[in-house]
Amino acid sequence: DAGVIQSPRHEVTEMGQEVTLRCKPISGHNSLFWYRQTMMRGLELLIYFNNNVPIDDSGMPEDRFSAKMPNASFSTLKIQPSEPRDSAVYFCASRGRGGNSPLHFGNGTRLTVT
Amino acid sequence: DAKTTQPPSMDCAEGRAANLPCNHSTISGNEYVYWYRQIHSQGPQYIIHGLKNNETNEMASLIITEDRKSSTLILPHATLRDTAVYYCIVGEGSARQLTFGSGTQLTVLP
Repeated sequence: DAGVIQSPRHEVTEMGQEVTLRCKPISGHNSLFWYRQTMMRGLELLIYFNNNVPIDDSGMPEDRFSAKMPNASFSTLKIQPSEPRDSAVYFCASRGRGGNSPLHFGNGTRLTVT
Repeated sequence: DAKTTQPPSMDCAEGRAANLPCNHSTISGNEYVYWYRQIHSQGPQYIIHGLKNNETNEMASLIITEDRKSSTLILPHATLRDTAVYYCIVGEGSARQLTFGSGTQLTVLP
């Protein structure tokens, strides 16, 4: 099992540019989560999907952020336009079926917006 | 979901047991206790979880008090590689999200 795979590992971009983060969940998992981690705010849930359908996006900071899950094996988090305050580590996690299944995280994408 | 309280930091000598406490006095009957850890620059790693009985796996043991208002994660023989931030989280088994607090920074000393 390869675990949750995120790409890229690092992204450096200029303010105003579009950024797309990618995630491949563990095969067979039916829930997918996007988190953001900063020193100031810790680990925050942005959005999660169940069976490819967005369930709760209340953590998405503003309309510049969007997430999609076109199929069970792929999700994207897009920021357009990016701003320096979006600099953070973005984690994707997936969770299997079963009421108490734990989350499994990827190793994150470190985003720097200059 | 119920909130948890953890000490911000702890030290442990290499080879000794590390006992990390967590208070969750408002836990409800159907909420599980989950433990994760995060080693610098990596994603959080699942360790163990339980409902009311004590649990053990290859990584750690989880001791939950009878009233379920607190729990302890035990790393039986801590190594330097166990230095990490440890998060205690409670949530319903059917809930699809877990809220992470500040955690405990465990430093294993040589």
